[in-house]
Amino acid sequence: DQQVKQNSPSLSVQEGRISILNCDYTNSMFDYFLWYKKYPAEGPTFLISISSIKDKNEDGRFTVFLNKSAKHLSLHIVPSQPGDSAVYFCAASESGGSYIPTFGRGTSLIVHP
Amino acid sequence: EAGVTQFPSHSVIEKGQTVTLRCDPISGHDNLYWYRRVMGKEIKFLLHFVKESKQDESGMPNNRFLAERTGGTYSTLKVQPAELEDSGVYFCASSQDNRLPGAAFFGQGTRLTVV
Repeated sequence: DQQVKQNSPSLSVQEGRISILNCDYTNSMFDYFLWYKKYPAEGPTFLISISSIKDKNEDGRFTVFLNKSAKHLSLHIVPSQPGDSAVYFCAASESGGSYIPTFGRGTSLIVHP
Repeated sequence: EAGVTQFPSHSVIEKGQTVTLRCDPISGHDNLYWYRRVMGKEIKFLLHFVKESKQDESGMPNNRFLAERTGGTYSTLKVQPAELEDSGVYFCASSQDNRLPGAAFFGQGTRLTVV
């Protein structure tokens, strides 16, 4: 039973436009959320995170939004660049538990020039 | 400084054979994690070492999988005997502080194919 769900396996966006990647979770104990980026033949790399005490966190072109009541988070990339083409994994963890993140299945983002 | 390195990068073995994957964490990182991603699915946690001790092995699929971290440095993950469903990419990650999930660095992964 998936606790972190990324329902869109892929997303295609034009360069310069906004990319929005979505993630839903079911475990109400999750209070820390992360996005990872993965290029082919490489391991995931940490991109941005958000604690449940916030509803938004911004880092340059990347912004993560958290809607706790809906158990939903999203990653916005503005403007999208071809180098952003990768698989993006959403993950969630419990700070009062093991801290080990539970991952979603990933969304493959393709940014067209 | 070297990152997390995994060896081999690819392995193709026949069902019933044994395979040993190796992970060298970042120097000084006490926490070492193994994960697995079956094609198209989520990255699943397998186990967590703190130094040489197994802190959490709740994600290990069955007793055909054996992980070790002798001396608290590199780690090995042995699959014996391998089955078809063991195919996937095995990731290792390491961190200094397990309370900061985003602070874990991942290796490039070992792609295991069991035929």
